[in-house]
Amino acid sequence: NAGVMQNPRHLVRRRGQEARLRCSPMKGHSHVYWYRQLPEEGLKFMVYLQKENIIDESGMPKERFSAEFPKEGPSILRIQQVVRGDSAAYFCASSQLGLAGRIIEETQYFGPGTRLLVL
Amino acid sequence: KNEVEQSPQNLTAQEGEFITINCSYSVGISALHWLQQHPGGGIVSLFMLSSGKKKHGRLIATINIQEKHSSLHITASHPRDSAVYICAAIYTGNQFYFGTGTSLTVIP
Repeated sequence: NAGVMQNPRHLVRRRGQEARLRCSPMKGHSHVYWYRQLPEEGLKFMVYLQKENIIDESGMPKERFSAEFPKEGPSILRIQQVVRGDSAAYFCASSQLGLAGRIIEETQYFGPGTRLLVL
Repeated sequence: KNEVEQSPQNLTAQEGEFITINCSYSVGISALHWLQQHPGGGIVSLFMLSSGKKKHGRLIATINIQEKHSSLHITASHPRDSAVYICAAIYTGNQFYFGTGTSLTVIP
């Protein structure tokens, strides 16, 4: 059973370009979480998605960022018109059951991350 | 405010020592998550717990709901335990708040 896969592992973009980050959850997992780790800073939650639904996007910047998790295919984190401040490591994680507002002690499995560098 | 505080920020230990990393949070969490981030950047989920204690190998995680505090213990530490350990509080509404991490170095 392959783990969580993210691609690309490294992405270089110039200011103003678009960045698309992909996350394939573990087989059987229908819940995906995206996190961002800025240089020299801690992890920050961005968005929590279930298949075809955004459950919580409270950590997403209001502009330029969007996420989706279609019925088929990977979850995509899209950053439009990137700026230097978007340079960070973006991690996704997946789980089988998700949170759904309940107390649950289910492990999340993390992908290796995508390192985005904006020149 | 949904803050998560970890201590210590940095920790150096001799191989074999017993290690404790602490995490404090504010009210209203549904669960607490301990993560390990390796020097290469990869992240591994160690524990997610909402009460009591969990053990996996040399790692033990405890949580005290009344005191709003969790600890991660490593018994018989080894240089391969050197990593950044991060706690994350999951608040109702599925929001995650991460501590700033504890950087652990275990010296042979």
